[in-house]
Amino acid sequence: GNSVTQMEGPVTLSEEAFLTINCTYTATGYPSLFWYVQYPGEGLQLLLKATKADDKGSNKGFEATYRKETTSFHLEKGSVQVSDSAVYFCALSNNFNKFYFGSGTKLNVKP
Amino acid sequence: NAGVMQNPRHLVRRRGQEARLRCSPMKGHSHVYWYRQLPEEGLKFMVYLQKENIIDESGMPKERFSAEFPKEGPSILRIQQVVRGDSAAYFCASSPLGAEQETQYFGPGTRLLVL
Repeated sequence: GNSVTQMEGPVTLSEEAFLTINCTYTATGYPSLFWYVQYPGEGLQLLLKATKADDKGSNKGFEATYRKETTSFHLEKGSVQVSDSAVYFCALSNNFNKFYFGSGTKLNVKP
Repeated sequence: NAGVMQNPRHLVRRRGQEARLRCSPMKGHSHVYWYRQLPEEGLKFMVYLQKENIIDESGMPKERFSAEFPKEGPSILRIQQVVRGDSAAYFCASSPLGAEQETQYFGPGTRLLVL
C-alpha cells in the first residue's frame, strides 16, 4: 500500500539554524512526492515537489531530493526564519490524484 | 485568479444536526477532493469528484456522509446526524486535470465543532 511517515515534532530551532525534517514513504509504482506547509488557521500550500527519482524540488530556500533507494524525501533548509514556523506535511500521489499525507511536523523557530 | 474557497470557515453544530460544507474550486478546475484532518493528525482522503460524478469515495465513512459536485454551483460535503467524533477540519482541494499526479490546490478549510 501507500503511506508516508514523518518525524514527530515539534521541532524547535533558533533563527538561522539548519533544518531537516525526515520523510520516508511506502508506495507501489513510481509516486510523485510533495511537501506542503500549513500556517495557523490556514489551508495547505504547496511548498515543493519532485516527480521522479533523483529530482530535487526547491522553493523559498527549502529543498528535498527524491531518493528511491532509501524511499525518502527529507526537507532541508540552510537557515530558518521565524516566519518559517508552521506545520509541514510530506505527501505522495500514486493513483490519479489520491494523496497520502504524513501526520505533519510542527516547526517552531525562535528569534 | 481566486483560490479555492470554502465556507463557512467555522461551523458549530449540536449532536444530531446536519452539517453542510461548501467548496468552490479554482477557476478552470473541474476536479474536487475532500480531506479530513483530525487534531494533531495529517489529512485523510475522503472523496474525489468531477462535475456530477463521484470518482473515488473510498475514504468516506459508509454512513451519514455524502458529497456532490453539481453541474452548477459549489461542491457540497454533507454530514447527517453529526457526532462529536466528526469534529475536525475539512479541507477541499481542486485540480485542473484528472491526469495522474497533478498538483492539488487547497482551500482554507472548514473547522467543524460538534457540541
